[in-house]
Amino acid sequence: DAKTTQPNSMESNEEEPVHLPCNHSTISGTDYIHWYRQLPSQGPEYVIHGLTSNVNNRMASLAIAEDRKSSTLILHRATLRDAAVYYCILRDIGDYKLSFGAGTTVTVRA
Amino acid sequence: NAGVTQTPKFQVLKTGQSMTLQCAQDMNHNSMYWYRQDPGMGLRLIYYSASEGTTDKGEVPNGYNVSRLNKREFSLRLESAAPSQTSVYFCASSNTGGGQPQHFGDGTRLSIL
Repeated sequence: DAKTTQPNSMESNEEEPVHLPCNHSTISGTDYIHWYRQLPSQGPEYVIHGLTSNVNNRMASLAIAEDRKSSTLILHRATLRDAAVYYCILRDIGDYKLSFGAGTTVTVRA
Repeated sequence: NAGVTQTPKFQVLKTGQSMTLQCAQDMNHNSMYWYRQDPGMGLRLIYYSASEGTTDKGEVPNGYNVSRLNKREFSLRLESAAPSQTSVYFCASSNTGGGQPQHFGDGTRLSIL
């Protein structure tokens, strides 16, 4: 499985943007980039995913580097509810499983 | 819309006891999954079912069995529980394909004494 590298933790102030980086230098052409988050005592929650182009949805934006070796999850205005562990995961188009690493723990200050 | 429902939410077992964790989804998804999460760690795949009638091993299948009862339901069974199986268990479902997001239940917190 292609691996991802994320910072262990990040802090942000409420209502400010948060940029979460993810490196995946061994990504293959058929790997999708997925982002999930897990709030305390809850199951993981799908955030966003993409293949080559930048993606936007109601929760976040995903910026993918032109060479696809890195990506950035952008939370436009952090709220206290966004405090969670964020996982960047590569998933091959033909693969079923998600391989979770340690993720980035995001803390939001009021 | 309930999404993915897991029962029970909490359970305490003694070593050697057996138990079945239940999972049901109402999103008409083809694929279903069982993961475990140990304290401070990411999720690890136990078993998955790509479609009704099929099941396959994931990363950590030892000590577990699964049954895909129908398209909606996917159960996980511990035949002889061990303390090392103390964990939080998550069920998930998705449409088929690597680009499809998985939707998770709220988990079953299982303690084995």
